[in-house]
Amino acid sequence: GDSVTQMEGPVTLSEEAFLTINCTYTATGYPSLFWYVQYPGEGLQLLLKATKADDKGSNKGFEATYRKETTSFHLEKGSVQVSDSAVYFCALSGHPAGGTSYGKLTFGQGTILTVHP
Amino acid sequence: KAGVTQTPRYLIKTRGQQVTLSCSPISGHRSVSWYQQTPGQGLQFLFEYFSETQRNKGNFPGRFSGRQFSNSRSEMNVSTLELGDSALYLCASSLGQGTTNEQFFGPGTRLTVL
Repeated sequence: GDSVTQMEGPVTLSEEAFLTINCTYTATGYPSLFWYVQYPGEGLQLLLKATKADDKGSNKGFEATYRKETTSFHLEKGSVQVSDSAVYFCALSGHPAGGTSYGKLTFGQGTILTVHP
Repeated sequence: KAGVTQTPRYLIKTRGQQVTLSCSPISGHRSVSWYQQTPGQGLQFLFEYFSETQRNKGNFPGRFSGRQFSNSRSEMNVSTLELGDSALYLCASSLGQGTTNEQFFGPGTRLTVL
């Protein structure tokens, strides 16, 4: 079945440092890939998405590129802020043309990011 | 456009009781998915409803059930509650069709089973 693996956390950085959170996936066909962010006491917010190979999703300074050859979707940000402290989830959803996983998101285990001033 | 709403936000129940959680999707969205979030298991998919029909189901026991109404609102029911059912239950809505299944989440219902 589908699966997503994220780098082990937590990740602690100083403000303005470079951020990378690794994400790899296993899926059949051509899944869509997502990064969600969860702030304390809240639900998940969609951060960015990519729907096909070599697509780059970007939002609020965060970027991730859909790499089919390495089955990866690593999250990056050039300069983190204290307000970026949150839990980040990588997720995938199946393609509408194939399989039963289209309506289902499969999540990684989440990476806790703490940014210090 | 209003976001996904979930009620209630917090619930405390005792073992053996049953509980019903409600989710109102974004206007125009026809799909509602439910997830359970716990510190140990992370985010796990429960089921998805699209146009009042269950389209996907996760690996949860039959005590967990759901339904969707004609206005796309959805309810989730858990019968015979166990301590391990304590979790944050999240619902998400999406158009339910198209190339990407972009899901938008509500704030969740925090269920505590004593």
